[in-house]
Amino acid sequence: DAKTTQPPSMDCAEGRAANLPCNHSTISGNEYVYWYRQIHSQGPQYIIHGLKNNETNEMASLIITEDRKSSTLILPHATLRDTAVYYCIVRQGGSEKLVFGKGTKLTVNP
Amino acid sequence: GAGVSQTPSNKVTEKGKYVELRCDPISGHTALYWYRQSLGQGPEFLIYFQGTGAADDSGLPNDRFFAVRPEGSVSTLKIQRTERGDSAVYLCASSADPASRGYTFGSGTRLTVV
Repeated sequence: DAKTTQPPSMDCAEGRAANLPCNHSTISGNEYVYWYRQIHSQGPQYIIHGLKNNETNEMASLIITEDRKSSTLILPHATLRDTAVYYCIVRQGGSEKLVFGKGTKLTVNP
Repeated sequence: GAGVSQTPSNKVTEKGKYVELRCDPISGHTALYWYRQSLGQGPEFLIYFQGTGAADDSGLPNDRFFAVRPEGSVSTLKIQRTERGDSAVYLCASSADPASRGYTFGSGTRLTVV
């Protein structure tokens, strides 16, 4: 699986958009980008995933660059409850294994 | 139940003892996964079941670790001769269709080996 690089920490003001970057420069054509988050003392929670196109759901938007070497997770209106560690994962199509890095610790401030 | 249930939530055991950790997946989810998470690290893959069979056990660190899922529902992770380095949070996840919705994780079992 391709490796990902994320900043170790970020801060965001409550009510503002949180933009979390992820580099995956070695991604190959059949690898998907997944985002999970983990709130303290809980298991990881699935957020969104994509292959080539930008995706949006009720939780977030995922913007993938045209060359697919990086992506950005966008939380449009961050709340205090969005404070968590956010993991960007590249998963090979057909593989069942998720390889987690250390993620980005996002702190939403009042 | 509505989510993935793991029991116990906390387990303290002495070095050298045997432990079993239980996972109740979401009803109907055929895929089940075990991960281990050490302090300050992301979760680390251990094993994946599709139905009753272990489809990928490449993440099990050594032969002291074993997992079963005899009826394709509940799974048990078994650790023999526990060592202090086995201390971690053990996470279980299940999925009906990981390609479309990802996994649903439980809250984990915190294992402490003293």
